Amino acid sequence: NAGVTQTPKFQVLKTGQSMTLQCAQDMNHEYMSWYRQDPGMGLRLIHYSVGAGITDQGEVPNGYNVSRSTTEDFPLRLLSAAPSQTSVYFCASSYTWTVMNTEAFFGQGTRLTVV
Amino acid sequence: GNSVTQMEGPVTLSEEAFLTINCTYTATGYPSLFWYVQYPGEGLQLLLKATKADDKGSNKGFEATYRKETTSFHLEKGSVQVSDSAVYFCALVTGGGNKLTFGTGTQLKVEL
Repeated sequence: NAGVTQTPKFQVLKTGQSMTLQCAQDMNHEYMSWYRQDPGMGLRLIHYSVGAGITDQGEVPNGYNVSRSTTEDFPLRLLSAAPSQTSVYFCASSYTWTVMNTEAFFGQGTRLTVV
Repeated sequence: GNSVTQMEGPVTLSEEAFLTINCTYTATGYPSLFWYVQYPGEGLQLLLKATKADDKGSNKGFEATYRKETTSFHLEKGSVQVSDSAVYFCALVTGGGNKLTFGTGTQLKVEL
């Protein structure tokens, strides 16, 4: 029972490099999202998707791209890494697009450091 | 907009002590309220939730009551264990929303 799987768990990038954080879920969930977790700021929504082919911006989308070509996968791309993107990134999914009455399942997180 | 305010941590307790972690919120509309827990090295997982006023969510000995009049959703446990050491996040969502708004998290350390 894999749930939500994120890779890698740790990554160090140099300023200006690009990379993709992977997220996959095996629960056939419609809704997937990316959050970043920073000290003293809780979790902030970066991008989300309500189904394959549909994505939208969250609270802090600048510097990140997403796509949703399949129900299972929702990769997050950093186009040109900056030190301000040093954070812990969490992918989450839920059965329906509204989380009012459904549980959000989170991956274990990716700790990214940009130097 | 929506916001969630939690008490700052870390909170350090002895095993079997009573726990309260305060959470208050501001929301447009009528929110559903959640507590998520993050154990060391893991992602967040749902601890409990309440979807309407006066509802009490409960799980693993933890409880929280949705208080509309005080806009609060305080987390309580009567007797904490070392295994409860984690970071606890209060969160809400409104309307038909798909965006969880999180508080900053409260770290709990339970010592023998």
